[in-house]
Amino acid sequence: GAVVSQHPSWVICKSGTSVKIECRSLDFQATTMFWYRQFPKQSLMLMATSNEGSKATYEQGVEKDKFLINHASLTLSTLTVTSAHPEDSSFYICSASWGTGYGYTFGSGTRLTVV
Amino acid sequence: SQELEQSPQSLIVQEGKNLTINCTSSKTLYGLYWYKQKYGEGLIFLMMLQKGGEEKSHEKITAKLDEKKQQSSLHITASQPSHAGIYLCGADRAGTASKLTFGTGTRLQVTL
Repeated sequence: GAVVSQHPSWVICKSGTSVKIECRSLDFQATTMFWYRQFPKQSLMLMATSNEGSKATYEQGVEKDKFLINHASLTLSTLTVTSAHPEDSSFYICSASWGTGYGYTFGSGTRLTVV
Repeated sequence: SQELEQSPQSLIVQEGKNLTINCTSSKTLYGLYWYKQKYGEGLIFLMMLQKGGEEKSHEKITAKLDEKKQQSSLHITASQPSHAGIYLCGADRAGTASKLTFGTGTRLQVTL
């Protein structure tokens, strides 16, 4: 089945530094990848949608300069949290789709803690 | 955006009991997905429904989508501790702008 690998699974960084999270589709080409954020005891909030080779589409209220998304190939998308602050601490999870109507596969998530 | 409301928000059931989780949309659904999540972990795909009136089952879990495609239910028969977790319904729109957004989630606990 379709597998999405997300790394790292957890990361602790100092306030003001940047953190990169990778999302790879291992056995299929992901035409579209999605990035979500999840606060404790809450549902997943879609942050942005990225298509290979084009700029990401951000949801309303999501800072483009804070959360940089790069989808350089059909198997890799990265989310960089720039100048991280404690309020950016959260669970980030990616998802990949290989086409409309074919469903979505999720990574295992990354727990970011900014100290 | 498509609003998805789930009910109940949380549920505690005794092992062996049946339960139902509902997902209601303010707009007509196109693809409706059910996922399970353990807190702090990734999502496990359960089922996808696309046709009005569709019903799918896997092991002890049954999901239905109503004819109007605005409401879905997830039913678990004879619950087990392994069913505990967060259940999320998600929906997307057909077409090139397809993206998956989620409901508010239902936290299920199964007691012995």
